[in-house]
Amino acid sequence: KQEVTQIPAALSVPEGENLVLNCSFTDSAIYNLQWFRQDPGKGLTSLLLIQSSQREQTSGRLNASLDKSSGRSTLYIAASQPGDSATYLCALHPDDKIIFGKGTRLHILP
Amino acid sequence: NAGVTQTPKFQVLKTGQSMTLQCAQDMNHEYMSWYRQDPGMGLRLIHYSVGAGITDQGEVPNGYNVSRSTTEDFPLRLLSAAPSQTSVYFCASSYSSAGGHEQYFGPGTRLTVT
Repeated sequence: KQEVTQIPAALSVPEGENLVLNCSFTDSAIYNLQWFRQDPGKGLTSLLLIQSSQREQTSGRLNASLDKSSGRSTLYIAASQPGDSATYLCALHPDDKIIFGKGTRLHILP
Repeated sequence: NAGVTQTPKFQVLKTGQSMTLQCAQDMNHEYMSWYRQDPGMGLRLIHYSVGAGITDQGEVPNGYNVSRSTTEDFPLRLLSAAPSQTSVYFCASSYSSAGGHEQYFGPGTRLTVT
């Protein structure tokens, strides 16, 4: 059964630092992967979608990479800001049933 | 363009009551889905639909029914509410079958069953 793991579950980082969030999956077959942000009490906001044929996607201060051979994806956040504090989830798109990790709760310290 | 909308935002039910959670999208998306989000469990897929008239079960379908009579709407029915169904429910949609297309989420419905 495909599993998506996000470690650590929580992370605190001083403002201004660059940081990396990790997502790993058990089956390294060809999949698309999507990163989301969720603010407390809110829905999920899509950040980046990496197609299976791509290695990375960039949007502003965010860069997501996908390494199918190792079953890993990373979300890089440059020059972190307090407004980046949220829970970040990755989701695998193997077929019609999307599989979510449990997320990393990020807290940016002012 | 409202995106994905969900009603109600909050609901309290007594055990055994039934209700329908509404979900609508105005993006002409073929694929729609329902998730529940519980602390420590993450998001779990309840039911999904790849087009009008087509639905299928996800990871946790028991106690829930769905139908898809139009492209725009995908209601989730709780037949006889149980305390274990206390959760936050999210509806999502995408242009086509999930693989490779960006998912858009609604704001959620927070349901409490007493």
